[in-house]
Amino acid sequence: DAKTTQPNSMESNEEEPVHLPCNHSTISGTDYIHWYRQLPSQGPEYVIHGLTSNVNNRMASLAIAEDRKSSTLILHRATLRDAAVYYCILRPTYSGNTPLVFGKGTRLSVIA
Amino acid sequence: SQTIHQWPATLVQPVGSPLSLECTVEGTSNPNLYWYRQAAGRGLQLLFYSVGIGQISSEVPQNLSASRPQDRQFILSSKKLLLSDSGFYLCAWRFVGSGANVLTFGAGSRLTVL
Repeated sequence: DAKTTQPNSMESNEEEPVHLPCNHSTISGTDYIHWYRQLPSQGPEYVIHGLTSNVNNRMASLAIAEDRKSSTLILHRATLRDAAVYYCILRPTYSGNTPLVFGKGTRLSVIA
Repeated sequence: SQTIHQWPATLVQPVGSPLSLECTVEGTSNPNLYWYRQAAGRGLQLLFYSVGIGQISSEVPQNLSASRPQDRQFILSSKKLLLSDSGFYLCAWRFVGSGANVLTFGAGSRLTVL
């Protein structure tokens, strides 16, 4: 899998938007950008994914740079329950059975 | 809807004892199945994955083994546990054919080896 770079940690105030960056300068044209998050003492959960266009779902928004070399996961209003480790992962469109490889992610702290 | 079950949720085992962690998936057929481990304060490490009954791929040489005796059952085992086997073990599944390659994880099994 192509490499991604994320900050080790970030902090946000409750009720404010959070922008979690991810750099992936070696991304190929067929790589999807996936985001997962891991709440304390739980398994990771899928958040969102995209290829070229920005994406929105009930959990978050994904903003993808025009050159696709970076992306940003946006939590519109952080809550205490959003405190987690957020992982940005690249996956080829036709990846067959190749498993997802998780990096270290960004640990998000939310302050009340 | 699909669900994934892992058990036991927690266990404390002495060094040298055997281990068996089970994972089952409901509501789907022929899923890809995965075992990950997360040591305390560390990232997720892929241990094994399986694309079908009896088919196991090992990612990291270690004291553990995996088996898939049935389509929706994945078992992680050890004959003799080491202290370094302590960690949070996570089973995950993926529907084959899904272009998004979305993984769904179980709740995990927390193993402490003393």
